[in-house]
Amino acid sequence: AQKITQTQPGMFVQEKEAVTLDCTYDTSDQSYGLFWYKQPSSGEMIFLIYQGSYDEQNATEGRYSLNFQKARKSANLVISASQLGDSAMYFCAMRVNAGGTSYGKLTFGQGTILTVHP
Amino acid sequence: NAGVTQTPKFQVLKTGQSMTLQCAQDMNHEYMSWYRQDPGMGLRLIHYSVGAGITDQGEVPNGYNVSRSTTEDFPLRLLSAAPSQTSVYFCASSYSWSSYGYTFGSGTRLTVV
Repeated sequence: AQKITQTQPGMFVQEKEAVTLDCTYDTSDQSYGLFWYKQPSSGEMIFLIYQGSYDEQNATEGRYSLNFQKARKSANLVISASQLGDSAMYFCAMRVNAGGTSYGKLTFGQGTILTVHP
Repeated sequence: NAGVTQTPKFQVLKTGQSMTLQCAQDMNHEYMSWYRQDPGMGLRLIHYSVGAGITDQGEVPNGYNVSRSTTEDFPLRLLSAAPSQTSVYFCASSYSWSSYGYTFGSGTRLTVV
């Protein structure tokens, strides 16, 4: 079974600074994908970034980058130049290709609340 | 508007009542899923589907039923509501194995009294 661990219940960052949100995962499967989602206080889930297990380069999307360390099974989200609007809950998630219907399952971590201070 | 539509947005049920949470998507996504979100526990998978007629159980399936007769719709049925089912429910859909991530509905806040 796969598992996602986010060990930081809350993080604080000063506006315009960079912040790293930690995510470690556990799976014995070789083919998997890692996702990060943002959930503002309004409640919607916003997809931020994706990293495939066979991707050799770290994924980047604007101010978001994913620091993928396969051997350590970590997939940390880096937000550069933080903005007040980045204050939200952030979730790391994973899905694996382990045969059958397994590729339809997305497993989430517990989330990290990020607060950006002006 | 393209996306995932969940209804209702809010619902209060009495213990023992049944109801169906509706979910529809117009993006021709193969995958659809239902999650519940409780404080401190992230999102937990209830049931999911990888295509019309194909469903499977997630992490917390007890007390819930699903079916998927069309690509577009994936309703979640609460058979006999219990206070432990008080939660926020999200429906999500995705293309098959892709990097685009899942598209989520706006959620249903359910309270069982």
